[in-house]
Amino acid sequence: AQTVTQSQPEMSVQEAETVTLSCTYDTSESNYYLFWYKQPPSRQMILVIRQEAYKQQNATENRFSVNFQKAAKSFSLKISDSQLGDTAMYFCAFSNFGNEKLTFGTGTRLTIIP
Amino acid sequence: DAGVIQSPRHEVTEMGQEVTLRCKPISGHNSLFWYRQTMMRGLELLIYFNNNVPIDDSGMPEDRFSAKMPNASFSTLKIQPSEPRDSAVYFCASSFGTQSDEQFFGPGTRLTVL
Repeated sequence: AQTVTQSQPEMSVQEAETVTLSCTYDTSESNYYLFWYKQPPSRQMILVIRQEAYKQQNATENRFSVNFQKAAKSFSLKISDSQLGDTAMYFCAFSNFGNEKLTFGTGTRLTIIP
Repeated sequence: DAGVIQSPRHEVTEMGQEVTLRCKPISGHNSLFWYRQTMMRGLELLIYFNNNVPIDDSGMPEDRFSAKMPNASFSTLKIQPSEPRDSAVYFCASSFGTQSDEQFFGPGTRLTVL
């Protein structure tokens, strides 16, 4: 079974700074997908960014980028120029190729300090 | 588009009562997912459907839980009889139905079983 580990339960950073959230996963598969979802206080889950394991290039979405290290099974999220609206729980998630089932990590609570 | 619609948003019931949670996926989406979120266990996939057919129900806790998708625009998750340990936020999500697709989440139903 796949597992996803987020070792930072909570983090805080000053507004406009850069923050990196960690995620590691365990799988015996070579092809899979990785996701970062955001859950603000409103409780709504929102996709932040996704990465296909077969792609070498790290995904980026505006201020959000990932550092995907396949050999190390690591998938960290970097948020640049952090904004107050980035305050939320962030969940790393994994799905196997050919299977839509998402396995989530336990989440990191990120607080952006004004 | 209204997004994924869930009802009710909040439900308070007494132990032993039947509870029915409802979900309307985004029109055109082929896959529908039911998740449960608790502090202890995080986000867990309970069951997912593709083209109205249950694909993976391995996350359904026990026989007290059942889910149906009678058509492409409606699904229910039923708990009978409910127990206090079922208290959680239940999310419905939908997607176009391929493994790399974003899952769009509803606002969730907060269930409290007294």
